Amino acid sequence: KAGVTQTPRYLIKTRGQQVTLSCSPISGHRSVSWYQQTPGQGLQFLFEYFSETQRNKGNFPGRFSGRQFSNSRSEMNVSTLELGDSALYLCASRDGIQETQYFGPGTRLLVL
Amino acid sequence: KNQVEQSPQSLIILEGKNCTLQCNYTVSPFSNLRWYKQDTGRGPVSLTIMTFSENTKSNGRYTATLDADTKQSSLHITASQLSDSASYICVVTQKAAGNKLTFGGGTRVLVKP
Repeated sequence: KAGVTQTPRYLIKTRGQQVTLSCSPISGHRSVSWYQQTPGQGLQFLFEYFSETQRNKGNFPGRFSGRQFSNSRSEMNVSTLELGDSALYLCASRDGIQETQYFGPGTRLLVL
Repeated sequence: KNQVEQSPQSLIILEGKNCTLQCNYTVSPFSNLRWYKQDTGRGPVSLTIMTFSENTKSNGRYTATLDADTKQSSLHITASQLSDSASYICVVTQKAAGNKLTFGGGTRVLVKP
């Protein structure tokens, strides 16, 4: 099976802009989670979608939103970008609740 | 508050030597604990997963232990190789509450020749 794919891999934006990141899970996986990773904060959970419904949400402002489509592909949107949003954004998929998460390569976002 | 604390934050070891990483958690109720390896610029890759009843799990030169009574886990790397240079992340799943995952801050390991 193909692994988790994320697009784009790298992105440069300026403050105030918005950005949309995409994640395609492993075929058959219904759960997609998003994480933000920065050198100082480590991995921070953003949200998890399961069968098109948001199941869990981390402690991020409303500028961070996501959605999941019927084919389990997911998108994450960040509006009104701030410098502090510069990070590696990781997507992970899993089949069942107890299953191991498989991570994608990430999208590295730089906000100037 | 559910937390996962890892120590040390970073570690430098010589190639061929062994090392042990620690993970202490307060997540409750506990479902399982995973160790991930993350190479620089890449997504984490699962190394081991242990449930409440498992005390040890191996994956090649990586051996994880779990003491559910003291809520401690360790990851032992045997005969380290240069490719072991990475961050190692401990993740605990909370039973119920949507099986929420709590991540440790990671231990950055650098293996020197």
